[in-house]
Amino acid sequence: DADVTQTPRNRITKTGKRIMLECSQTKGHDRMYWYRQDPGLGLRLIYYSFDVKDINKGEISDGYSVSRQAQAKFSLSLESAIPNQTALYFCATSDQKRRGRTDTQYFGPGTRLTVL
Amino acid sequence: AQSVTQLGSHVSVSEGALVLLRCNYSSSVPPYLFWYVQYPNQGLQLLLKYTSAATLVKGINGFEAEFKKSETSFHLTKPSAHMSDAAEYFCAVSEPSGGYNKLIFGAGTRLAVHP
Repeated sequence: DADVTQTPRNRITKTGKRIMLECSQTKGHDRMYWYRQDPGLGLRLIYYSFDVKDINKGEISDGYSVSRQAQAKFSLSLESAIPNQTALYFCATSDQKRRGRTDTQYFGPGTRLTVL
Repeated sequence: AQSVTQLGSHVSVSEGALVLLRCNYSSSVPPYLFWYVQYPNQGLQLLLKYTSAATLVKGINGFEAEFKKSETSFHLTKPSAHMSDAAEYFCAVSEPSGGYNKLIFGAGTRLAVHP
């Protein structure tokens, strides 16, 4: 079984709809992240969470919100989706117990979101 | 702020040929550098990382990268390309930020391998 899972894997929705993307991990890591990937731009950080009570904005948080329901679950919501939020979204985890700048982030398989 | 530049958004090589994917970084502090690979319809997988222990870093699947401080580079190489290496490759630098290590990604290089 995959260590980091994301649901759904693909989603097509319409402008103005509320969308939730979910991420679960079995790695036991305390830190979780949401990124979006756009062609030619690499990955950009949306939100990150150090633990259930510690949530922080990334570089492109406008239009998004998150919820850390448990150590193993981190959801990303688009309250009112717009076409320029069409992208590939990735969840990632890392382990604070091995803190330091070398801690590795482990990525889920991604959710492809299309907003019409 | 740190940045990562990957030269060449698309690279095409023949099977068996040398793979060279270029990455340059800007950093005001000693960098920690990563290469990730993304196979079609999959998430990112760590290939290798530089943590200052050795300048030549060996990763999975026969890839390696050399840290060159004087050139601010961390190029990824593989002596002989295989068809299964076709994927997108991302270079990233770790930047301390608010108590955690923010990853700054390059734009990615898509590697095509042809027979």
